Amino acid sequence: DQQVKQNSPSLSVQEGRISILNCDYTNSMFDYFLWYKKYPAEGPTFLISISSIKDKNEDGRFTVFLNKSAKHLSLHIVPSQPGDSAVYFCAAIKAAGNKLTFGGGTRVLVKP
Amino acid sequence: KAGVTQTPRYLIKTRGQQVTLSCSPISGHRSVSWYQQTPGQGLQFLFEYFSETQRNKGNFPGRFSGRQFSNSRSEMNVSTLELGDSALYLCASSVQGRPLTDTQYFGPGTRLTVL
Repeated sequence: DQQVKQNSPSLSVQEGRISILNCDYTNSMFDYFLWYKKYPAEGPTFLISISSIKDKNEDGRFTVFLNKSAKHLSLHIVPSQPGDSAVYFCAAIKAAGNKLTFGGGTRVLVKP
Repeated sequence: KAGVTQTPRYLIKTRGQQVTLSCSPISGHRSVSWYQQTPGQGLQFLFEYFSETQRNKGNFPGRFSGRQFSNSRSEMNVSTLELGDSALYLCASSVQGRPLTDTQYFGPGTRLTVL
């Protein structure tokens, strides 16, 4: 039972344009959502997070939007840069535990 | 500050053997979590240790076990290896393991291949 899903396995975008990554979840008990970025041969690196009581969080070029009624979140990267080419994972967590539940990841390729 | 380190980085074993992987968290971090990454299943939570006690556990068979030492270093052990155990094993540390305030920092992982 996949509680967190990223339905797009890959995304290609031109440098300078917006990258939009989507994530859906099924468990309404999740309290916190995170995005991680992963380069080959490295562990995931924390990017940005959002609490379930908010609908938007922004950090520089990265903005995460949360739609609780639709159980959907998205990550916007503006403008996209070649260094953003990586695999992006969304993850969810309940306040009562320390277990991250990850989506399957979306591979982003930013073309110069 | 040094990041999370994992040893070894690569490992090849045969079916039926056992393996021990090691993780050294960031200095001052007391919570260590382990994850398995496979192409088919993605990133899945194995277990979390805090102050030498297993605090959370994922849905993995008993062949997967772990422990944490007084210096917060952690090891995970997989016994009677199966081909399906081939994966990237990731360790993550955080200060207290409080998800709403603590960020988990991941190590580079140990790539285990079972032949």
